[in-house]
Amino acid sequence: SYELTQPPSVSVSPGQTARITCSGDALAKQHAYWYQQKPGQAPVMVMYKDTERPSGIPERFSGSSSGTTVTLTITGVQAEDEADYYCQSSDSSASYPDYVFGTGTKVTVL
Amino acid sequence: DVQLVESGGRLVQPGGSLRLSCAVSQFTVSTIYMSWIRQAPGKGLEWVSLLRSDGSTYYADSVKDRFSISRDNSKNTLLLQMDGLRVDDTAVYYCAREAFGGFDIWGQGTMVIVSS
Repeated sequence: SYELTQPPSVSVSPGQTARITCSGDALAKQHAYWYQQKPGQAPVMVMYKDTERPSGIPERFSGSSSGTTVTLTITGVQAEDEADYYCQSSDSSASYPDYVFGTGTKVTVL
Repeated sequence: DVQLVESGGRLVQPGGSLRLSCAVSQFTVSTIYMSWIRQAPGKGLEWVSLLRSDGSTYYADSVKDRFSISRDNSKNTLLLQMDGLRVDDTAVYYCAREAFGGFDIWGQGTMVIVSS
């Protein structure tokens, strides 16, 4: 298995930009996915295949990838964006699939 | 709306067994990849098991030989049989639909507590 490392916390003022990184060697050849989880709720996918936004996710969420690091960017942060965010990667086509989640980042809106 | 609803979680003693269910609506469970993912209290997400549409099954090392994933096509339901439960299996268990290599639809979760 492999690891995906995220910063434990990111703090941002309303209207500013939050950037959450996820690092791991596997990201050089595998896509990343991002999930938002609010307290007491199930995770919600906010980004897939590094840069694709699912239907219903606001345009202020965007993703990027460079080498072994992927980044989720929230432009114009709103209070409702306060949540835990997890990255995830997988190689589901491999002979034995391996789904790994990142360590998680708590985003606080000041 | 596409919906996943888990059930079956409860308090169980170490060494005990439990079966979780995930009722699926608006799509057919046998035609897609479905996983169980868990989250221990205050911790991150951990993938547990995958059932592919062709019936092949896969498990995390932490649950291999103790958990068994299956589906009931007549009820359009995903199942997780958990045997030999340990204290560190305590978690909220989510079922989730795989899409594009990630998980696009999640259930609300069911809590499993393993304690004496």
